[in-house]
Amino acid sequence: GQNIDQPTEMTATEGAIVQINCTYQTSGFNGLFWYQQHAGEAPTFLSYNVLDGLEEKGRFSSFLSRSKGYSYLLLKELQMKDSASYLCAVRDSNYQLIWGAGTKLIIKP
Amino acid sequence: TAGITQAPTSQILAAGRSMTLRCTQDMRHNAMYWYRQDLGLGLRLIHYSNTAGTTGKGEVPDGYSVSRANTDDFPLTLASAVPSQTSVYFCASSDGRTGNSPLHFGNGTRLTVT
Repeated sequence: GQNIDQPTEMTATEGAIVQINCTYQTSGFNGLFWYQQHAGEAPTFLSYNVLDGLEEKGRFSSFLSRSKGYSYLLLKELQMKDSASYLCAVRDSNYQLIWGAGTKLIIKP
Repeated sequence: TAGITQAPTSQILAAGRSMTLRCTQDMRHNAMYWYRQDLGLGLRLIHYSNTAGTTGKGEVPDGYSVSRANTDDFPLTLASAVPSQTSVYFCASSDGRTGNSPLHFGNGTRLTVT
């Protein structure tokens, strides 16, 4: 079966750095997405990786290793507004998106 | 503001009743999707449409139907609601189903079936 694993919850301190991991086992791979979802709101697109390596976008970076079936989202200079759930999703060989259950990130002052 | 509009925002529905969740996008995206989101589970695809006039079944299609008469609208119908259909429903669209086309989501419909 296809599976995406993420930690259920993480806690970090304002101003710090946090890394949210995502491992996947899917039938084929056609890209990996990270989304942010604030409580009670819709998911919003953060990043896309299809080749190995690091993609940087301001305070957020996303890394991919296809051989390891592994990605992480790195958030720097954490702000209170970064408190949200972070969803990892993989596009499989049929171009279907397989979603992880999300990681709830709690930021403490 | 361009985007996806869902209606209603929330609804309480008696079991056995029917209901249509509305979804409209103004981005001229070809592909549209309906997901449900339940606590502790990832987003699960109910139905999708690659282009106007075509639809397909997702991971959890039973008890739901969709239509795609035009590019902008993608309504989801529950013919006879059951309590297990209590969930948050998100409509989404993308420029295509391949490549790096991200999904754009509506604000969701919170449905409670009693």
